[in-house]
Amino acid sequence: AQKVTQAQTEISVVEKEDVTLDCVYETRDTTYYLFWYKQPPSGELVFLIRRNSFDEQNEISGRYSWNFQKSTSSFNFTITASQVVDSAVYFCALSTGTASKLTFGTGTRLQVTL
Amino acid sequence: DARVTQTPRHKVTEMGQEVTMRCQPILGHNTVFWYRQTMMQGLELLAYFRNRAPLDDSGMPKDRFSAEMPDATLATLKIQPSEPRDSAVYFCASTGAADSDQPQHFGDGTRLSIL
Repeated sequence: AQKVTQAQTEISVVEKEDVTLDCVYETRDTTYYLFWYKQPPSGELVFLIRRNSFDEQNEISGRYSWNFQKSTSSFNFTITASQVVDSAVYFCALSTGTASKLTFGTGTRLQVTL
Repeated sequence: DARVTQTPRHKVTEMGQEVTMRCQPILGHNTVFWYRQTMMQGLELLAYFRNRAPLDDSGMPKDRFSAEMPDATLATLKIQPSEPRDSAVYFCASTGAADSDQPQHFGDGTRLSIL
């Protein structure tokens, strides 16, 4: 069975601070995919990034970066110089094999204040 | 940008009524998912289809929920009869990939309230 754990329920930071959202996953499959989605207050789910189990390269996209470590089964997400617009709930998710279906973590609510 | 379209965006109805939610996947996407989001359970998969055939509906209460894809451009999720515990946001998502490597693109959701 697959499981995704986001231990941080809620994080509050002041604008311009860096913040890291943690994600730990469990799966017995050797091929799997990890995702991050953002859910802003308006409610939609926005895809941010995909990473496959064979690619442990970290990725940076603007102020966003992701750190994938198979040794610790973690796929953490860092926002540098956070902004108020980053306030949202962030979900980490896992899919395996040919199933495609996503197993979501419980989400981390990020509040960025001025 | 291509988008997944869900209707209605909001639905309020009384217990016992039939509810139908519709989803238009992104053109060309062959895999469609229904998820439900609640405070207690978070985001959970209800059912999904590939090439219009149901692959997995184990997350769906079978006695009152049904999901179909009448054609490649329309997926429906029905609840009959509805109950207050069905109140949630229902998301449809689609992907064009045969396996897990492509992201799912989500609609804006249907916010359902059963009184």
